Amino acid sequence: EVRLVQSGAEVKKPGESLKISCQGSGYSFTSSWIGWVRQMPGKGLEWMGIIYPGDSDTRYSPSFQGQVTISVDKSTSTAYLQWNSLKASDTAMYYCAREAPSTLLSPFDYWGQGTLVTVSS
Amino acid sequence: QSVLTQPPSVSKAPGQRVTISCTGSSSNIGAGYDVYWYQQIPGTAPKLLIYGNTNRPSGVPDRFSGSKSGTSASLAITGLQAEDEADYYCQSYDSRLSGWVFGGGTKLTVL
Repeated sequence: EVRLVQSGAEVKKPGESLKISCQGSGYSFTSSWIGWVRQMPGKGLEWMGIIYPGDSDTRYSPSFQGQVTISVDKSTSTAYLQWNSLKASDTAMYYCAREAPSTLLSPFDYWGQGTLVTVSS
Repeated sequence: QSVLTQPPSVSKAPGQRVTISCTGSSSNIGAGYDVYWYQQIPGTAPKLLIYGNTNRPSGVPDRFSGSKSGTSASLAITGLQAEDEADYYCQSYDSRLSGWVFGGGTKLTVL
């Protein structure tokens, strides 16, 4: 069974750093892209970026380039989303999702349960 | 503003048919990229509903169907049920942005 399990909710202050995780299991972790999606309170889905665990090839949405860092640890089948200096506007639910295995563009067929990040002074 | 445009909300009675539109441009849907649809029940993660414009993953009822024409796509739901009340999002690839884009989402209310 394919599973993506994300780390727990975080409460942080502005200016602090944060790294949240997404551990995959039940499939070949290195063979499928993993994406991150932001959902601000009461708002829609926003694609942040994506990483291919096999070679760490990473692509960012222009809206998030330079704002976050996506990385991966193949040894633990875990993808990460990191901030160096959080802002109140980073308060949101963050989802990781797997792109269906394919040589072409594919939908996100499995999603993590989400990690709620709250940034408040 | 989202790159893909969806109506913010639709509402229909149980048993009726509803369609949700997703309008893009020549750099995404109109360029031939596939459209995907997701269902998000409040408080839960999105779930893939339609892939490759018209295909349903295993387990998705055939009451859900997708179509695509030109720079737009649509999701149709027939025989509406109370459990269909959710937010629906379309997704495609955008060559100008070199990445995935989502529609703004449509809240479906089953009256």
